[in-house]
Amino acid sequence: KAGVTQTPRYLIKTRGQQVTLSCSPISGHRSVSWYQQTPGQGLQFLFEYFSETQRNKGNFPGRFSGRQFSNSRSEMNVSTLELGDSALYLCASSLGATSPETQYFGPGTRLLVL
Amino acid sequence: AQSVTQLDSQVPVFEEAPVELRCNYSSSVSVYLFWYVQYPNQGLQLLLKYLSGSTLVKSINGFEAEFNKSQTSFHLRKPSVHISDTAEYFCAVSDTGGFKTIFGAGTRLFVKA
Repeated sequence: KAGVTQTPRYLIKTRGQQVTLSCSPISGHRSVSWYQQTPGQGLQFLFEYFSETQRNKGNFPGRFSGRQFSNSRSEMNVSTLELGDSALYLCASSLGATSPETQYFGPGTRLLVL
Repeated sequence: AQSVTQLDSQVPVFEEAPVELRCNYSSSVSVYLFWYVQYPNQGLQLLLKYLSGSTLVKSINGFEAEFNKSQTSFHLRKPSVHISDTAEYFCAVSDTGGFKTIFGAGTRLFVKA
């Protein structure tokens, strides 16, 4: 089975721009979670989607949004980028029907905001 | 609200020496506990998890962790480390009812020859 894939792997943007990141979960997985990883803060939970619905949300501003499609693929959007948004963005998938479940992580998208 | 504290940000150790990576959590409800490992330039992989039952859980590569409810800890140990164990290790907690996992800040294990 193919693992979790994330595109693009690397991205450079400037302040004020917006960005969309994509995540394709493992086949059959219906839950996708997004995390922001920075050296100082570790992994911080952004949100989790299951069957196209946001089921959980972390403490991030409204500039961070996401969605999930009927094939379970998910996108994350960050509008009006700030320097502090530079980070590794990880997505993780799981079957999603019960709690808890092992999450399978993608390699991440490294975003640099200049 | 739940939180996870990993007490050491970096742990240098010589090859074949024992190691303990410490993790404490806080939660007002029952929890599930996880250790994930992140090798350089890779995503996270599950190392081991505690859901219920025996409080000592083991991974296939020699790591083990013990759930201690009274001390709210889930420390990770290995009796003899290898160079290949060099990675960042994350402790995580999930409450038994939700679908949200909270991660600690990570501990960077550096194994020296």
